Amino acid sequence: KQEVTQIPAALSVPEGENLVLNCSFTDSAIYNLQWFRQDPGKGLTSLLLIQSSQREQTSGRLNASLDKSSGRSTLYIAASQPGDSATYLCAVNSGYSTLTFGKGTMLLVSP
Amino acid sequence: DAMVIQNPRYQVTQFGKPVTLSCSQTLNHNVMYWYQQKSSQAPKLLFHYYDKDFNNEADTPDNFQSRRPNTSFCFLDIRSPGLGDAAMYLCATSSPLSYEQYFGPGTRLTVT
Repeated sequence: KQEVTQIPAALSVPEGENLVLNCSFTDSAIYNLQWFRQDPGKGLTSLLLIQSSQREQTSGRLNASLDKSSGRSTLYIAASQPGDSATYLCAVNSGYSTLTFGKGTMLLVSP
Repeated sequence: DAMVIQNPRYQVTQFGKPVTLSCSQTLNHNVMYWYQQKSSQAPKLLFHYYDKDFNNEADTPDNFQSRRPNTSFCFLDIRSPGLGDAAMYLCATSSPLSYEQYFGPGTRLTVT
């Protein structure tokens, strides 16, 4: 059974810092990995999707990497802003179209 | 814009009173999902449809049912809500090409 772990559970940084969120998964036989953002009381917004054959994806200030063999992914946020404050969820698709989620990292960026 | 829509955004129901949550999509995706998310927890998959084929997760309580009358619409029925069913319910769809999932804004269910 796939298990996804996210570290740290919470992170507080001053505005402008570069930061890294970590995600690990137990079964490396994955189809893809998706990073989401969730604001309090809201739904999930897809940030980046990495297919199993890819090593990284970039969107603006976000860069996600995938090392399938070691069961790890990282989400790098450059020059953080207060508007980046949210919970970031990592989810792994191990096939059959279903996702296994981590519990998320709650990020607070202070002005 | 193509999107996933959930109605209502907030639903209050009484203990034991049946409730239906709805989801619609304009993405024309063939796979639709229902997740339950409790406070500070990861979303938990309840069931999903691949076209009209229904797939129930093994640990989804019988109290939860679903209907998908057509490609665009999917419903979550909770037959006898308990206090433990209070949660955010998220609907999602996925692209048949990339399997990227797209989520709606969620329905916050309160059980009194």
